[in-house]
Amino acid sequence: DTAVSQTPKYLVTQMGNDKSIKCEQNLGHDTMYWYKQDSKKFLKIMFSYNNKELIINETVPNRFSPKSPDKAHLNLHINSLELGDSAVYFCASSQWNSYEQYFGPGTRLTVT
Amino acid sequence: AQSVTQLDSQVPVFEEAPVELRCNYSSSVSVYLFWYVQYPNQGLQLLLKYLSGSTLVESINGFEAEFNKSQTSFHLRKPSVHISDTAEYFCAVSEGSQGNLIFGKGTKLSVKP
Repeated sequence: DTAVSQTPKYLVTQMGNDKSIKCEQNLGHDTMYWYKQDSKKFLKIMFSYNNKELIINETVPNRFSPKSPDKAHLNLHINSLELGDSAVYFCASSQWNSYEQYFGPGTRLTVT
Repeated sequence: AQSVTQLDSQVPVFEEAPVELRCNYSSSVSVYLFWYVQYPNQGLQLLLKYLSGSTLVESINGFEAEFNKSQTSFHLRKPSVHISDTAEYFCAVSEGSQGNLIFGKGTKLSVKP
């Protein structure tokens, strides 16, 4: 009965590779988000999607691209991975205007 | 631009002692305030929230936070902590209808026996 799930949980890859992280929510929410948590535990919003439309893009490099095939999924594609991309990436979802976000368990990305 | 400041990066306390985790925010508009908790190797869980109404909000596990508009603060308190409260605590603010959360840098609460 996981509300927000992410796959994979751990991802180790080399510089220059392209990878994807998947996120699914079964809460019926219409808005989904991606956050990045760096090595110092600092959390920062990357993207959000409302009804399959991108509404926030916080100065994230264009190597990162969110893709939402439907309201329940928001995947994160990363091209040409760099060492600085190593972090924990959290997916979250909410109902528009509810302000309460539910987070997934996170994906720990390590770029070597 | 909005910002959230958590004044203490680490707070060590003994079990059954009271604790206060401090959070201040800056915003020129109405805000909605949240505390999230992250247990080791887990995702974030909403602990409590202030949207409107009573300035004192409580969680089911004994934490409470008070919204103080004049001091732009939303400090988190618990009168008696348990070992199981050991975690990272994040204060966050959201403004407007987009729901974008701005997080503080987190406070690591370590409860010792």
